[in-house]
Amino acid sequence: QKEVEQNSGPLSVPEGAIASLNCTYSDRGSQSFFWYRQYSGKSPELIMFIYSNGDKEDGRFTAQLNKASQYVSLLIRDSQPSDSATYLCAATGNQFYFGTGTSLTVIP
Amino acid sequence: GAVVSQHPSRVICKSGTSVKIECRSLDFQATTMFWYRQFPKQSLMLMATSNEGSKATYEQGVEKDKFLINHASLTLSTLTVTSAHPEDSSFYICSARAPGGWNQPQHFGDGTRLSIL
Repeated sequence: QKEVEQNSGPLSVPEGAIASLNCTYSDRGSQSFFWYRQYSGKSPELIMFIYSNGDKEDGRFTAQLNKASQYVSLLIRDSQPSDSATYLCAATGNQFYFGTGTSLTVIP
Repeated sequence: GAVVSQHPSRVICKSGTSVKIECRSLDFQATTMFWYRQFPKQSLMLMATSNEGSKATYEQGVEKDKFLINHASLTLSTLTVTSAHPEDSSFYICSARAPGGWNQPQHFGDGTRLSIL
């Protein structure tokens, strides 16, 4: 079992819709959770982090954490074509674990 | 803040050449840096964890004599691909962990695209 699991996608949403990206983790001791965005041919870029249960909003992005269910999600409101990328979920426990990423395509 | 600079961004060289890649944290001190490799359309693969002042910890299957890592200061780690061959062609990315322990995010450099002819 991988430490962090993501649906590889691809996930396609129309422009203006809400994109929902999901991630589960296996280490109950994980305390910090991160979302990175990686454009094709580029390195990952940190876009959100969340430490506490509940929601954290930053512009069009909302991270949601449910430690009881070991579940982290990222919502992107009013999706734009420029949001098309691979989104990596990461969690920290004894180490820093990355998921394999979900590919998102926003269709104009 | 949290800027990581990686140099060079692209290298094209002949088989048998050794290639050095530098990773610098510009505005914070990084006791731990990480080196990843990524093949096209594949996920990040952690190669090694670099700790300042000590030997790097390599992931299983990564040859330490092939991929030499030096982390001589709190702001600089280097990866040297020795006697590179075409199968070493890949996208190499470094990251630095922000101060404060394992719960801090990693910040990535822009990556180095290595092409061995």
